[in-house]
Amino acid sequence: GESVGLHLPTLSVQEGDNSIINCAYSNSASDYFIWYKQESGKGPQFIIDIRSNMDKRQGQRVTVLLNKTVKHLSLQIAATQPGDSAVYFCAGPHTGFQKLVFGTGTRLLVSP
Amino acid sequence: DGGITQSPKYLFRKEGQNVTLSCEQNLNHDAMYWYRQDPGQGLRLIYYSQIVNDFQKGDIAEGYSVSREKKESFPLTVTSAQKNPTAFYLCASSISSHSNQPQHFGDGTRLSIL
Repeated sequence: GESVGLHLPTLSVQEGDNSIINCAYSNSASDYFIWYKQESGKGPQFIIDIRSNMDKRQGQRVTVLLNKTVKHLSLQIAATQPGDSAVYFCAGPHTGFQKLVFGTGTRLLVSP
Repeated sequence: DGGITQSPKYLFRKEGQNVTLSCEQNLNHDAMYWYRQDPGQGLRLIYYSQIVNDFQKGDIAEGYSVSREKKESFPLTVTSAQKNPTAFYLCASSISSHSNQPQHFGDGTRLSIL
């Protein structure tokens, strides 16, 4: 079946560095992806999305890159801040059905 | 402010008891979802509703029930048939049920067994 997953369970960075969080997917027909941020004890918060007709999309301090050839997307956070510490996960569509499949998440730890 | 409200934040269930988790949205979204989140796992879909008075089972519906009598509300009942109910439950909504629409989440209900 379809899968959406993340490469690393934990990523540690220093404050001010750029962070890159990766996600791989298996369904080549997937045409839409979302990145979420989840802080402890809270629900996932929408960060940014991207459709398959784009390779790159930028938001405030965040950039998502989509490589359809290798079925990989990444979330880049510029000038990482302590408030960025959270679990980040990607989501993509499930083939033949109107629902999303969620990855397991990468925990981003930002140290001062 | 528009959003999704889940209540209660914490809930305890006794053996043999049914409990109901509330989810209300004022975003005027047609579609609503219930997920279960366990440590180290991705979100798993319990039930979803594409429109009022309609709902379908997700991947792990056994031991759960839902209703969708109003557009704004999608309560989830965890029945005594659910033998491992301890988890973080998340409700979400989206403009439509198409998988190319973002889902927006509430802040969850943590259910534990007494």
